[in-house]
Amino acid sequence: AQSVAQPEDQVNVAEGNPLTVKCTYSVSGNPYLFWYVQYPNRGLQFLLKYITGDNLVKGSYGFEAEFNKSQTSFHLKKPSALVSDSALYFCAVRYYGQNFVFGPGTRLSVLP
Amino acid sequence: GAGVSQTPSNKVTEKGKYVELRCDPISGHTALYWYRQSLGQGPEFLIYFQGTGAADDSGLPNDRFFAVRPEGSVSTLKIQRTERGDSAVYLCASSSSGLAGYNEQFFGPGTRLTVL
Repeated sequence: AQSVAQPEDQVNVAEGNPLTVKCTYSVSGNPYLFWYVQYPNRGLQFLLKYITGDNLVKGSYGFEAEFNKSQTSFHLKKPSALVSDSALYFCAVRYYGQNFVFGPGTRLSVLP
Repeated sequence: GAGVSQTPSNKVTEKGKYVELRCDPISGHTALYWYRQSLGQGPEFLIYFQGTGAADDSGLPNDRFFAVRPEGSVSTLKIQRTERGDSAVYLCASSSSGLAGYNEQFFGPGTRLTVL
């Protein structure tokens, strides 16, 4: 069965520094990969997705993610973190005809 | 425009009672999903509707859980004989099409269910 790992429960980064939130998935093949962000007391918001094509995808709020098929990874990145980026981030994977599987989430704290 | 809405936002009930949770998706979205999110965890898939029919209900934990979407828009998640372990945030999401698999979902704010 497919699964998603987010190996870090918590990521701390200083404002202005680059950030990375890691995601790996279990099943190789041709996945659809997504990142969502959850702010306190709010629903999940879509950030970006990889379907096919260019391995580097750009999304909302200056975030980007790189699909690496050989490492089955889809790490989320941002060149310069903002305090307002502090939130809970979820990686999700889906294969055609199957359900979405979400990772456990990574809490990002950007320190001023 | 209007997003996905869920009512109630909070529901407190007693063990053994019946509850209904409502989801109103984005207009025109044919796919609708229900998830359950426990504290410190990611959303866990429950059921997926394509139109009026349940395309996949493999995530429903047992026969106490049931969901309907009679007119292909609003959906209701029904839980019978609630147990304390059912306490969680129930999330609803919709997308423009579920079949292709790559359309992003739009989530509602969730219903926090507490079973005492």
